Amino acid sequence: KQEVTQIPAALSVPEGENLVLNCSFTDSAIYNLQWFRQDPGKGLTSLLLIQSSQREQTSGRLNASLDKSSGRSTLYIAASQPGDSATYLCAPGEGSSNTGKLIFGQGTTLQVKP
Amino acid sequence: DAGVTQSPTHLIKTRGQHVTLRCSPISGHKSVSWYQQVLGQGPQFIFQYYEKEERGRGNFPDRFSARQFPNYSSELNVNALLLGDSALYLCASSLNRASGNTIYFGEGSWLTVV
Repeated sequence: KQEVTQIPAALSVPEGENLVLNCSFTDSAIYNLQWFRQDPGKGLTSLLLIQSSQREQTSGRLNASLDKSSGRSTLYIAASQPGDSATYLCAPGEGSSNTGKLIFGQGTTLQVKP
Repeated sequence: DAGVTQSPTHLIKTRGQHVTLRCSPISGHKSVSWYQQVLGQGPQFIFQYYEKEERGRGNFPDRFSARQFPNYSSELNVNALLLGDSALYLCASSLNRASGNTIYFGEGSWLTVV
């Protein structure tokens, strides 16, 4: 059974800092891994999708890496801004049955202070 | 183009009642999934539907059921509501059922059971 852990659970940083969010998963048989952002009381916004054959993906100030063999992914946020404050969730796509099922961690809640 | 739309956005039900939640996927998307997110937790997979057939089911009791219509919209039904069913119910759509596609989420339906 896939289990996803995100560390740290919460993070508070001053504006402008570069930061790294960590995600680990127990079953390396995944099709892909997706990072999402969730604002309080809202749905999920897709940030980056990394296919299992890829090592990293970049979008603007965001960079996500994937090391499938070790069961790890990191989300790097450069030059953080107060608008980046949200909960960040990683979700490996289940690989065994091709259902498109995502398994989520509990997320990292980020606060960026002006 | 409209994103994933869900209705209602908020609702309050009494224990033992039944609820129906609705979802319209992004135009052209044929796969719809449902997730339950309890406060403070990551979303948990309930169902995936593709081409009107159930393609995946999470670890939820039979009180939970869903269906997909010819226009690819979907309904999630929950019978005999329990207090523990109080959660944010998220609908997600993707182009097809393959795990290689980005999954897009709606804003969710907040269900409170009293």
